[in-house]
Amino acid sequence: DAKTTQPPSMDCAEGRAANLPCNHSTISGNEYVYWYRQIHSQGPQYIIHGLKNNETNEMASLIITEDRKSSTLILPHATLRDTAVYYCIVSRGASSNTGKLIFGQGTTLQVKP
Amino acid sequence: DGGITQSPKYLFRKEGQNVTLSCEQNLNHDAMYWYRQDPGQGLRLIYYSQIVNDFQKGDIAEGYSVSREKKESFPLTVTSAQKNPTAFYLCASRPGTRSDSGANVLTFGAGSRLTVL
Repeated sequence: DAKTTQPPSMDCAEGRAANLPCNHSTISGNEYVYWYRQIHSQGPQYIIHGLKNNETNEMASLIITEDRKSSTLILPHATLRDTAVYYCIVSRGASSNTGKLIFGQGTTLQVKP
Repeated sequence: DGGITQSPKYLFRKEGQNVTLSCEQNLNHDAMYWYRQDPGQGLRLIYYSQIVNDFQKGDIAEGYSVSREKKESFPLTVTSAQKNPTAFYLCASRPGTRSDSGANVLTFGAGSRLTVL
């Protein structure tokens, strides 16, 4: 699976959009981009995933560049409860995949009042 | 509600003792996973199981053992051979029979924090 690079930390003002970048320059054509987040001392929570088109759900939006070498997770109106570590993961999507996801150190997002 | 239950939430152990962490899921998921997390670090895979009565070693399996006798249960034993067992342990599962990208959407439990005294 492709390796990802994320900034170690970011700050965001409450109510503003939080834009979390991720670089995955070695991504393969059949690999998806997945985002999870982990609030302190809890288990990680799935947020969103995508292949090449932009995706949106009730939690966030995922913007993937045309060359698929990078992506951005957008939390449109960050709240204090969005303070967490955000993990960007690249993995194949087929069920033949063992499901072994590689969680790096992620980006610690601090939402400030 | 469907989900994953891990117990105990906190556990203290003396050196030389084996301990077993419980993981139960009612999501009817085929695949289950155990991860270890150290302070300020990402998650590292210990063991995983894609089907009942079968499991594979992850990246840091030494000093750990698992069993998968039932689909809904995947207990992890931290043995006395594990040199540095103090950590946060996370269990996860996924619907392994799916053939689309949703097959990689993991559901995690709340975690078990083990401290060796």
